[in-house]
Amino acid sequence: SQQGEEDPQALSIQEGENATMNCSYKTSINNLQWYRQNSGRGLVHLILIRSNEREKHSGRLRVTLDTSKKSSSLLITASRAADTASYFCATDAGAGNMLTFGGGTRLMVKP
Amino acid sequence: NAGVTQTPKFQVLKTGQSMTLQCAQDMNHEYMSWYRQDPGMGLRLIHYSVGAGITDQGEVPNGYNVSRSTTEDFPLRLLSAAPSQTSVYFCASSSSIQGHSGNTIYFGEGSWLTVV
Repeated sequence: SQQGEEDPQALSIQEGENATMNCSYKTSINNLQWYRQNSGRGLVHLILIRSNEREKHSGRLRVTLDTSKKSSSLLITASRAADTASYFCATDAGAGNMLTFGGGTRLMVKP
Repeated sequence: NAGVTQTPKFQVLKTGQSMTLQCAQDMNHEYMSWYRQDPGMGLRLIHYSVGAGITDQGEVPNGYNVSRSTTEDFPLRLLSAAPSQTSVYFCASSSSIQGHSGNTIYFGEGSWLTVV
């Protein structure tokens, strides 16, 4: 079973717009990570937010975490066509467990 | 620096055949894992290893075997391939248990496997 569930499953926006993706999870976590996957490629780590953090920034990326609601959001500002990819959240519950991934959001940025 | 290298990239198997997906990392990472990704879904953990000589099962281990004789290599064996094992397989490595330090996981480029 998947720990994280992304919303929406697919998102299409124009270049320059902001893209927001949400992730909900079920159990307590140590940290939550966001990954990007270009079509036919492996996953690339974007950003990690720990359970005691509420917001984190990296370039055009902004991630928030609300542990009370068991949810996280990824905001990509001023999107570019090159941001077209699938984005996955992954949770780490600790105790030696590996990451548990959600189903992903497919983002298309139209030029 | 090659990172995580998986071979083969593509493979077609007949039902009942066996094969091994190879995975090697050159970052001296202790932790390695195998995931499968089915269409429209996220990754599901098959097996993982926290160091040479140590392996454990993930969420979907049935039909797969792993071994970790060296730090660098973590092969995934399909014992008797079934159509349900048609998927994309990703190997990953990291330098510590994620829950303790939150280090980045590095993924290979994937192996596309079709079982007919």
